[in-house]
Amino acid sequence: DAGVTQSPTHLIKTRGQQVTLRCSPKSGHDTVSWYQQALGQGPQFIFQYYEEEERQRGNFPDRFSGHQFPNYSSELNVNALLLGDSALYLCASSWDTGELFFGEGSRLTVL
Amino acid sequence: GENVGLHLPTLSVQEGDNSIINCAYSNSASDYFIWYKQESGKGPQFIIDIRSNMDKRQGQRVTVLLNKTVKHLSLQIAATQPGDSAVYFCAENLGGNTPLVFGKGTRLSVIA
Repeated sequence: DAGVTQSPTHLIKTRGQQVTLRCSPKSGHDTVSWYQQALGQGPQFIFQYYEEEERQRGNFPDRFSGHQFPNYSSELNVNALLLGDSALYLCASSWDTGELFFGEGSRLTVL
Repeated sequence: GENVGLHLPTLSVQEGDNSIINCAYSNSASDYFIWYKQESGKGPQFIIDIRSNMDKRQGQRVTVLLNKTVKHLSLQIAATQPGDSAVYFCAENLGGNTPLVFGKGTRLSVIA
């Protein structure tokens, strides 16, 4: 049984560019949450998707957007990248409000 | 690999000793608390959880203590092993589908 998978694992972008990160949830899970983890910090909640809708959102600007597909996979999009967007982006899946299972993250570096 | 723990508080313990990692949580209304372990290059991994109606819960080699009076959570690891070396985070939420709020983390370093 595959766990949560994320792609790409590492990527480098320049300021102003756009990025799309992808997440496949653990089998049987219908809810996907995205977190941003800056170096030396705990993960910060970005948003959560359930039934293809954004159900909860943290304190992140509109440059951060997402999508959930009918197969429960999800994308995180960040527009107009800033240097401060450099971080590890974590996807976590769950069955509704159950235990969160995290992927290994996508490391984004913005130059 | 990823270095998720730069500039974090560090706890160094001898292999075989017990470890205690502390966390001050932020919201007195929080109903659910979890400890996560994060190894370099990996995502957080669930260790143990506790609900606000309990003050202690035990797992395999781990115990979580909750003191709601002072908003304090601790994780005790018995007979610490080199494989326990990682960054440990506490997280809290208000229950249901409310998002988890993570603490700053503590790096545990086990000396063989």
